[in-house]
Amino acid sequence: GQNIDQPTEMTATEGAIVQINCTYQTSGFNGLFWYQQHAGEAPTFLSYNVLDGLEEKGRFSSFLSRSKGYSYLLLKELQMKDSASYLCAVRDKGNTPLVFGKGTRLSVIA
Amino acid sequence: DVKVTQSSRYLVKRTGEKVFLECVQDMDHENMFWYRQDPGLGLRLIYFSYDVKMKEKGDIPEGYSVSREKKERFSLILESASTNQTSMYLCASSLPGQSHEQYFGPGTRLTVT
Repeated sequence: GQNIDQPTEMTATEGAIVQINCTYQTSGFNGLFWYQQHAGEAPTFLSYNVLDGLEEKGRFSSFLSRSKGYSYLLLKELQMKDSASYLCAVRDKGNTPLVFGKGTRLSVIA
Repeated sequence: DVKVTQSSRYLVKRTGEKVFLECVQDMDHENMFWYRQDPGLGLRLIYFSYDVKMKEKGDIPEGYSVSREKKERFSLILESASTNQTSMYLCASSLPGQSHEQYFGPGTRLTVT
């Protein structure tokens, strides 16, 4: 079966750094995606990892360890607008649909 | 810019009605998907399609059907709406291949009373 786990909620302070973890157990692995979803809006793509290591994109970075079935999303210099849900998703093989975790709701406070 | 549009942002229907949710994408994507999103349950896949006239069941297809007569359009049909189908419905599309992300529409919040 497919299982993707992430914390339900996190709170962090404006200007700080926060790390959102994701662990997965899937029948195969062909890439891990992170999405951001503001309340009432569509998820938007943030990052893609298929090889081990860190991918950096501005204030956001994403890390993958395939042997551990583990990823994290790192958000630096937090801003109030970063308050949103962050969704971890795995593609287990080829051209198949993404399987999503339940999402982590991040609240950024002043 | 990829654009995925859905026919309605909000919809209220009665139990037993037949409901059509329409999704259109303008980027010539082969793949299209329907998910529903519920608090505490996350995004769950209902149906998907890799090409015109093709459809595949997702994780929760019961009570739903789909239609893909044209490449750009993917419709979700609730044959006889029930209150447990009250949810946010999200359509997505993507190019084929493992590295391509899915682009989502704005969602339709459906309430069945």
